Amino acid sequence: AQKITQTQPGMFVQEKEAVTLDCTYDTSDPSYGLFWYKQPSSGEMIFLIYQGSYDQQNATEGRYSLNFQKARKSANLVISASQLGDSAMYFCAMREEGTGNQFYFGTGTSLTVIP
Amino acid sequence: SAVISQKPSRDICQRGTSLTIQCQVDSQVTMMFWYRQQPGQSLTLIATANQGSEATYESGFVIDKFPISRPNLTFSTLTVSNMSPEDSSIYLCSVARTNSYEQYFGPGTRLTVT
Repeated sequence: AQKITQTQPGMFVQEKEAVTLDCTYDTSDPSYGLFWYKQPSSGEMIFLIYQGSYDQQNATEGRYSLNFQKARKSANLVISASQLGDSAMYFCAMREEGTGNQFYFGTGTSLTVIP
Repeated sequence: SAVISQKPSRDICQRGTSLTIQCQVDSQVTMMFWYRQQPGQSLTLIATANQGSEATYESGFVIDKFPISRPNLTFSTLTVSNMSPEDSSIYLCSVARTNSYEQYFGPGTRLTVT
C-alpha cells in the first residue's frame, strides 16, 4: 500500500485565492511526522511545514497551514493568498519513528497560479 | 537549518561513463541521504550515507552501481557508475540531525545521459 497518496496531479488557483492540496497517509506507527516540500522548476526541494503526530494544533508557517485530521489520516496543505511564485510541484512526505530515517514521498501535485 | 551545496549542478554524460556528485554541508550533521528523482516522478531514497562505514542501500540500489563515500560529518559523494539513459535524473543530497524532525535538501544535480 502507498504510504503517501496525493490524488491531485495538477491544480490551478487564481492569484490571491486560497488553495488546498490533498495528502493522505498510511501508517500503523503511533509516532510519525508529516512534511510538505515545494519544488520549483529549478529542482531544489524547499521545506515548507511540519506536523508531528502528537501535535494538538495544526501547524502554520506564514501563508502555509497544515490541516491535520489524524483519524482520517490526512494532512492537507492550505496556501492562502496565492502568489505567482507559488507555482511549483508540492510533495507531501512522512517519516515514521519506527522505520528510522526513511522518508516516504507522495507523487506530488503541480500547482499553477493564474494571474 | 543547514546550507547544502552540490557539485556539479548539472551534467550531460555519455553512456558507460561514471559521474561523482559531491555534497557539502555548512555544519556537522548526523544523517546524510541520497535521493533520485526521475523525470516527472517523486523522490526515491537510494541510500543513507554513514560516516566511517559502508552506506545503507535501499531495495533496488546496489553499491557497485551507486558507490557512496562519507569521510566526515559534512561531506559525502555519490557516484553513478556505468551510466545508461535510464540514469537520467535529478540526484539530491539530504541531511538531518538526530532528535530533530527537520530534513533539508541540496539544490540537486541534474544528470542527462546520452
